[in-house]
Amino acid sequence: LAKTTQPISMDSYEGQEVNITCSHNNIATNDYITWYQQFPSQGPRFIIQGYKTKVTNEVASLFIPADRKSSTLSLPRVSLSDTAVYYCLVGDRGGTGRRALTFGSGTRLQVQP
Amino acid sequence: SAVISQKPSRDICQRGTSLTIQCQVDSQVTMMFWYRQQPGQSLTLIATANQGSEATYESGFVIDKFPISRPNLTFSTLTVSNMSPEDSSIYLCSALAGGPIYEQYFGPGTRLTVT
Repeated sequence: LAKTTQPISMDSYEGQEVNITCSHNNIATNDYITWYQQFPSQGPRFIIQGYKTKVTNEVASLFIPADRKSSTLSLPRVSLSDTAVYYCLVGDRGGTGRRALTFGSGTRLQVQP
Repeated sequence: SAVISQKPSRDICQRGTSLTIQCQVDSQVTMMFWYRQQPGQSLTLIATANQGSEATYESGFVIDKFPISRPNLTFSTLTVSNMSPEDSSIYLCSALAGGPIYEQYFGPGTRLTVT
């Protein structure tokens, strides 16, 4: 299985930009990179998905270098409500393969006032 | 998008009993999954709920312990059988929405405590 590695935790302050990097050295040609956010007592929520270069939506940006062995989730101007656990998943876009459904340990982001 | 509800939201059960968790999606979806999450830990995939056929279980999970049903494209159940305290966990249902972005939608989870 393609293994992902993320920092266990990160701290930030309100208004700062936060970048969370995920390492996925064994990414396959057909794999996409998907990030989820999970608040306490809730199920994970989709944030963003990408294949290469840069993807941006209303909540985040995803940067993927040419070799695709890592990716960086960028959260602009975080607020206290961004305190959550962030998961990086790598797998086929159809999501039916085991890799696409395998959650790593995630990164616990704590935003302080 | 898809909105997922689960019943019950939480339960306290005695050792040796069984609990069935229901998962309802507000739209037809191709794939549904069941996960387990220990408090403070990551999610572990239990099985893929297949419509009209037997579920596909991940390593370490068996049908006798976690029977799953999926009678149609919007509903699934997970039963935790012959429970022990080790089964205390949060159980989450998810559904996969098809293209162009294949994202999973998750239910709020069922918090199970076995005494």
